[in-house]
Amino acid sequence: AQKITQTQPGMFVQEKEAVTLDCTYDTSDQSYGLFWYKQPSSGEMIFLIYQGSYDEQNATEGRYSLNFQKARKSANLVISASQLGDSAMYFCAMRAVNSNSGYALNFGKGTSLLVTP
Amino acid sequence: DGGITQSPKYLFRKEGQNVTLSCEQNLNHDAMYWYRQDPGQGLRLIYYSQIVNDFQKGDIAEGYSVSREKKESFPLTVTSAQKNPTAFYLCASSILGENQPQHFGDGTRLSIL
Repeated sequence: AQKITQTQPGMFVQEKEAVTLDCTYDTSDQSYGLFWYKQPSSGEMIFLIYQGSYDEQNATEGRYSLNFQKARKSANLVISASQLGDSAMYFCAMRAVNSNSGYALNFGKGTSLLVTP
Repeated sequence: DGGITQSPKYLFRKEGQNVTLSCEQNLNHDAMYWYRQDPGQGLRLIYYSQIVNDFQKGDIAEGYSVSREKKESFPLTVTSAQKNPTAFYLCASSILGENQPQHFGDGTRLSIL
């Protein structure tokens, strides 16, 4: 069974600073994918970034980057130059290729990020 | 614009009543999913479908039913057997593939009257 753990229920960061949101996972699968989503207070889930288990480079998408440490089973999201609009819930999610849930995602409980002026 | 449309945005259910949440996508995605979100919890999978006329139970399927008669549509019925239906329901779709992200609708908030 897969498990995603996000140990930080809430985080604060000052505008223009960088912040790291932690995510660790547990799986016995060799091939899997890791996703990060942002959920503003309005409720929609916004896809941010993807990392495959066999990708050698850390994924980057604009101000978002993923610090992937496979041996430690961690996939931390780094947001650089935080903006007020980054205030939201952030979810780490995982999909295993051999999952018995098709291509569904297994989500962590999320981290609430508040960006202050 | 391509996307996923969920309706209604807010829904109230009376005791003993079945209600249906709509989910429509025009992204031509094969796979569709329903998740439930409770406060302080992540998303939990209710049902998913990878092809028309076929669907599979997720982790918390009891008290729910779905259908997939068209590729574009994946409605979720919350039956009277679901004793604690108050939650935020999210529908998603994706291309089949391990590296394909899921795209989500704006959600439906269901409450008990």
